[in-house]
Amino acid sequence: EPEVTQTPSHQVTQMGQEVILRCVPISNHLYFYWYRQILGQKVEFLVSFYNNEISEKSEIFDDQFSVERPDGSNFTLKIRSTKLEDSAMYFCASSAGQGINEQYFGPGTRLTVT
Amino acid sequence: GQQLNQSPQSMFIQEGEDVSMNCTSSSIFNTWLWYKQDPGEGPVLLIALYKAGELTSNGRLTAQFGITRKDSFLNISASIPSDVGIYFCAGQLVGTYKYIFGTGTRLKVLA
Repeated sequence: EPEVTQTPSHQVTQMGQEVILRCVPISNHLYFYWYRQILGQKVEFLVSFYNNEISEKSEIFDDQFSVERPDGSNFTLKIRSTKLEDSAMYFCASSAGQGINEQYFGPGTRLTVT
Repeated sequence: GQQLNQSPQSMFIQEGEDVSMNCTSSSIFNTWLWYKQDPGEGPVLLIALYKAGELTSNGRLTAQFGITRKDSFLNISASIPSDVGIYFCAGQLVGTYKYIFGTGTRLKVLA
């Protein structure tokens, strides 16, 4: 069964560094998403992406964040100048679109900023 | 900002009992998704709802899209130990590609 994959599973970085989190969405899906979940809290929407551009972003998704689909399979989240409060699980999700809104999540990347 | 209130926050039930949880909001949604999340893993989709009033089942799970489009519930019948986890609702805000997640219901099943 097709699934969303994410790498790395765990990323440790120092405050101020840049990180890139990678995702491979389900191959025939058209919509891609990034979410964040701080430990013990709810899942928070960051951004949705369709047709090579951002379709929606939350107030969390400021200039520190950017997304890219560099090729036909990968979808990346870049976090510049990381802060301690960026430590969280980051989930990628994808949906087929065209009226099918079921989002399938990847296993997540645990980001630890020290 | 938009909020989804999910209740109860946690539940301790005996194996075999039925469970009910719900999400309410002041915002209107055009899709409801229900997820289960185990510790350290990504949310797993359980049920998707697209129309007001829609009632959908997936095995022992049943969910409904509220008539007002502002709420949804999830029922689990005859709970078993592997139902343990955190259940989240998620709603797609009308006219957007933005999804709001509920605060989660932590379910514990006592054998």
